[in-house]
Amino acid sequence: QSVLTQPPSVSGAPGQRVTISCTGSSSNIGAGYDVHWYQQLPGTAPKLLIYGNNNRLSGVPDRFSGSKSGTSASLGITGLQAEDEADYYCQSFDNSLNGLVFGGGTKVTVL
Amino acid sequence: QITLKESGPTLVKPTQTLTLTCTFSGFSLSTSGVAVGWIRQPPGKALEWLALIYWNDDKRYSPSLRSRLTITKDTSKNQVVLTMTNMDPVDTATYYCAHIVGLGATDFDYWGQGTLVIVSS
Repeated sequence: QSVLTQPPSVSGAPGQRVTISCTGSSSNIGAGYDVHWYQQLPGTAPKLLIYGNNNRLSGVPDRFSGSKSGTSASLGITGLQAEDEADYYCQSFDNSLNGLVFGGGTKVTVL
Repeated sequence: QITLKESGPTLVKPTQTLTLTCTFSGFSLSTSGVAVGWIRQPPGKALEWLALIYWNDDKRYSPSLRSRLTITKDTSKNQVVLTMTNMDPVDTATYYCAHIVGLGATDFDYWGQGTLVIVSS
């Protein structure tokens, strides 16, 4: 059971928009700690996509966007492409655990 | 260019101690604000943060694994070592080391390729 909750899967047709939610609590996202998003392509290491809630890493397409509100955050992918098929993870800090926490991951499928 | 690479045994027996080394380049772990962490991923499962060591030798551990983990750094060798005691088959996973930079930062901006550790008798 992950501290941050993500839907196991989301899917969309090419060109569509999908959103991945990341729900936390008052000891992590709700406490104001930054949320980061990673993309993990099959068989590869995770790659940082979004840091500090809504900042795209250099080279990340602007189709990817992040937002945060209250105890939740979300990753949006617009203009979905086949190459976006991957697992996506959110990550933050939790002050009750005094450590870093990851979400359970969301598999994005391009139909 | 920042790179990290994990090394260690592929197969360990239950109850043994695992020692993993992260060898990095392109940054110094004596620079203010820099940290290196370990994260693992069991096959088909989610990422799990394990431990973190900062430039000032401050260390943080996952509460659920704290009693089994030790993280150390050798700045002169550009290495971070993670030891995990009393290994169990449920510890079978790919283990990654990753880089953090920035005071108060918590995002891993560079990752190693990972090393698969199988725990089996």
